[in-house]
Amino acid sequence: EAQVTQNPRYLITVTGKKLTVTCSQNMNHEYMSWYRQDPGLGLRQIYYSMNVEVTDKGDVPEGYKVSRKEKRNFPLILESPSPNQTSLYFCASSFAGYNEQFFGPGTRLTVL
Amino acid sequence: GDSVTQMEGPVTLSEEAFLTINCTYTATGYPSLFWYVQYPGEGLQLLLKATKADDKGSNKGFEATYRKETTSFHLEKGSVQVSDSAVYFCALASGGSYIPTFGRGTSLIVHP
Repeated sequence: EAQVTQNPRYLITVTGKKLTVTCSQNMNHEYMSWYRQDPGLGLRQIYYSMNVEVTDKGDVPEGYKVSRKEKRNFPLILESPSPNQTSLYFCASSFAGYNEQFFGPGTRLTVL
Repeated sequence: GDSVTQMEGPVTLSEEAFLTINCTYTATGYPSLFWYVQYPGEGLQLLLKATKADDKGSNKGFEATYRKETTSFHLEKGSVQVSDSAVYFCALASGGSYIPTFGRGTSLIVHP
């Protein structure tokens, strides 16, 4: 089944404790991206990647890191999480940024 | 830059009512236009799309027509069901950009 998977689905952590949210797709997509969804603000792009080893900032990259060492994986790293990063996070993939995006199920992160 | 504006919600309707969710856009060139739907607790999924002017996208009883002259892509359904309750996102993607642009989302609540 074609899908985008994210782990974990739910995470509660404390300020400053490094964490990684994994994202994997099995559709051989070149383009992958991370979004955060907050009430009243809609979807905001954090980072995107057009291919292996190629990443770029989206609209709200501060406090996040990404890496793209394999085509199928695009982890999101929060090296020192803060409460304002409490949000719902989505990973997405597609053949290109201008094609249909396939979204993962979301990761709800709470930073205390 | 590119932008998408969609009507604010929530939109509250009774079952079998007619639905319209307005979406207008600003973009350079000739973007592809999309409607995504997010059911409670899930990620976004593509509902319908249109890739050129006057195209009509349709799926699950929903329709939207790409209107270049009014830069609009309004979502319509003739008779909504309780199961249509969700958040709907209008989006565009330009061939010259690798970054899709999403509207803020419109929540639809359908009562029996």
